[in-house]
Amino acid sequence: AQSVTQPDIHITVSEGASLELRCNYSYGATPYLFWYVQSPGQGLQLLLKYFSGDTLVQGIKGFEAEFKRSQSSFNLRKPSVHWSDAAEYFCAVANQAGTALIFGKGTTLSVSS
Amino acid sequence: NAGVTQTPKFQVLKTGQSMTLQCAQDMNHNSMYWYRQDPGMGLRLIYYSASEGTTDKGEVPNGYNVSRLNKREFSLRLESAAPSQTSVYFCASSRSLKETQYFGPGTRLLVL
Repeated sequence: AQSVTQPDIHITVSEGASLELRCNYSYGATPYLFWYVQSPGQGLQLLLKYFSGDTLVQGIKGFEAEFKRSQSSFNLRKPSVHWSDAAEYFCAVANQAGTALIFGKGTTLSVSS
Repeated sequence: NAGVTQTPKFQVLKTGQSMTLQCAQDMNHNSMYWYRQDPGMGLRLIYYSASEGTTDKGEVPNGYNVSRLNKREFSLRLESAAPSQTSVYFCASSRSLKETQYFGPGTRLLVL
């Protein structure tokens, strides 16, 4: 069965520092992968997605993610974090039938000044 | 263009009461979904509708029913609410299955 693991429950980064959020997936075929961000009390906003092609994907708000098939990973990165990036981040993979997204449990990002 | 809208934003129920959560999208999407979000659990799929006129169970369908009223609207009904159904409920839509899902703002439900 497909699954998504986000190993870090909570990360704190200094403003201006770089960020990497980890995501590992379990999937038999070529996965459709997503990163969403959720600000407190809000819905989920799509940051970026990978369906095929270039393994380095650019998203909104200066985020990027790299698909590494050999490591079953899809880590999210940002070179310089802003205080407004504090939120919860979810990695997800579409299931084989395409009927649902399988979500990781999320990583909460705190930004210190 | 409002995207995905959900009503109500917040609801308190007593155990055994019923209610319907409403969802509508204006993006002409074919597929719609209901998820619940619980602390430390991520989001889990309750039901989905691949296209108008069809609905199917997701990972956690027990205690819920859905209706795909038309292409725009997909409602979630709790017939007899239980405290275990206290959660935040998100509706989402996509052009078709396996395409990007767009989420509504959520409904916070508290069952006492």
